[in-house]
Amino acid sequence: AQKITQTQPGMFVQEKEAVTLDCTYDTSDPSYGLFWYKQPSSGEMIFLIYQGSYDQQNATEGRYSLNFQKARKSANLVISASQLGDSAMYFCAMRERYTGANSKLTFGKGITLSVRP
Amino acid sequence: GAVVSQHPSWVICKSGTSVKIECRSLDFQATTMFWYRQFPKQSLMLMATSNEGSKATYEQGVEKDKFLINHASLTLSTLTVTSAHPEDSSFYICSAEYDRGYNEQFFGPGTRLTVL
Repeated sequence: AQKITQTQPGMFVQEKEAVTLDCTYDTSDPSYGLFWYKQPSSGEMIFLIYQGSYDQQNATEGRYSLNFQKARKSANLVISASQLGDSAMYFCAMRERYTGANSKLTFGKGITLSVRP
Repeated sequence: GAVVSQHPSWVICKSGTSVKIECRSLDFQATTMFWYRQFPKQSLMLMATSNEGSKATYEQGVEKDKFLINHASLTLSTLTVTSAHPEDSSFYICSAEYDRGYNEQFFGPGTRLTVL
């Protein structure tokens, strides 16, 4: 089974509107971390937000927030007030503490977000 | 802070030659660095985990003799693609681990390799 699932092939959003990018995960490890990265066309991976499995609150970083539903094993990224510069590929990733050796990340397939003016 | 650089940013080489890619953590020490490969419109595929002072740990299916990794210092890891062939053309990205209370990976800008 895939550890990280991102099924939305491509998303479109109007500038200034909010958008939710879906991510579900699969793990039996009680301790894990979830990450979201943005990859613009230039290629660099930009860290957006982190959620630990034991965190009580949903993570927020500026316009980014993570809708963490542990029981459903989902960690959706919400981008508020979309900007044209948000157009990029977005990756969800997970690190498992006990089953993931050397802190390696497992990435989803990614979602392409296009922001329309 | 936590900046990772890669050099070169792009390289074109002839088939059969070797290419070295450097990954440096500029303002922090990284015991662990990671090397990824990414094909167009696809996800990152972990190739190997590089630990300072020890041998790299390769993922299943990655040829150790073809992709040589050296982590000689706490700020530098190198990936050498030996006897490169056109199928090795790809985007190679490194990351360095930094402890912020949780271990976060900071990524380099990537190196685009084209083998003719």
